[in-house]
Amino acid sequence: NAGVTQTPKFQVLKTGQSMTLQCAQDMNHEYMSWYRQDPGMGLRLIHYSVGAGITDQGEVPNGYNVSRSTTEDFPLRLLSAAPSQTSVYFCASGRRGSGGTGELFFGEGSRLTVL
Amino acid sequence: GQQVMQIPQYQHVQEGEDFTTYCNSSTTLSNIQWYKQRPGGHPVFLIQLVKSGEVKKQKRLTFQFGEAKKNSSLHITATQTTDVGTYFCAGNTGTASKLTFGTGTRLQVTL
Repeated sequence: NAGVTQTPKFQVLKTGQSMTLQCAQDMNHEYMSWYRQDPGMGLRLIHYSVGAGITDQGEVPNGYNVSRSTTEDFPLRLLSAAPSQTSVYFCASGRRGSGGTGELFFGEGSRLTVL
Repeated sequence: GQQVMQIPQYQHVQEGEDFTTYCNSSTTLSNIQWYKQRPGGHPVFLIQLVKSGEVKKQKRLTFQFGEAKKNSSLHITATQTTDVGTYFCAGNTGTASKLTFGTGTRLQVTL
């Protein structure tokens, strides 16, 4: 099993450009999410999904869009990149339990620089 | 919104010394998870605690969940250089699917 696969691993954008970070999982997990990691800020939740066709906002959703058309894929779209979106992005998936989200499996991360 | 804070932000120990990181939530948690992230890597799940006052051990690591389910700790006995990394706690509230991560504690271990 590949687990959680993120692409690209590295990307440099100019301000105003758009791009999509891809995330795919092969574990049939209901739950998928996107986090961004900045120095000293920990991991902050951008958007998450509890199943195909269902998405919701996390702590820092502004400037990002998501969709979940299949169980396997959860792409993250930046419509007009800004320097403040320079960060490392992690996709994660997991099973849902009665108390919320269970163990999360993370992708290897995508390092994005916006000039 | 829910906030999860961790202290200390950074700790440097010599190999063989003990290490503890503390996690505090502004709201009551249904469960708490701990993750380890090696430098340049991605977070990896360590454990989940669900019950009030729960204590779990994994070799040299001891995890505790507070009685009020608002705080937790991770204690490492006799640290080794392989323990280097950042340790995050992450909490769920009720049936919400949002897993909120703490700010992390970076551990450096030297010989």
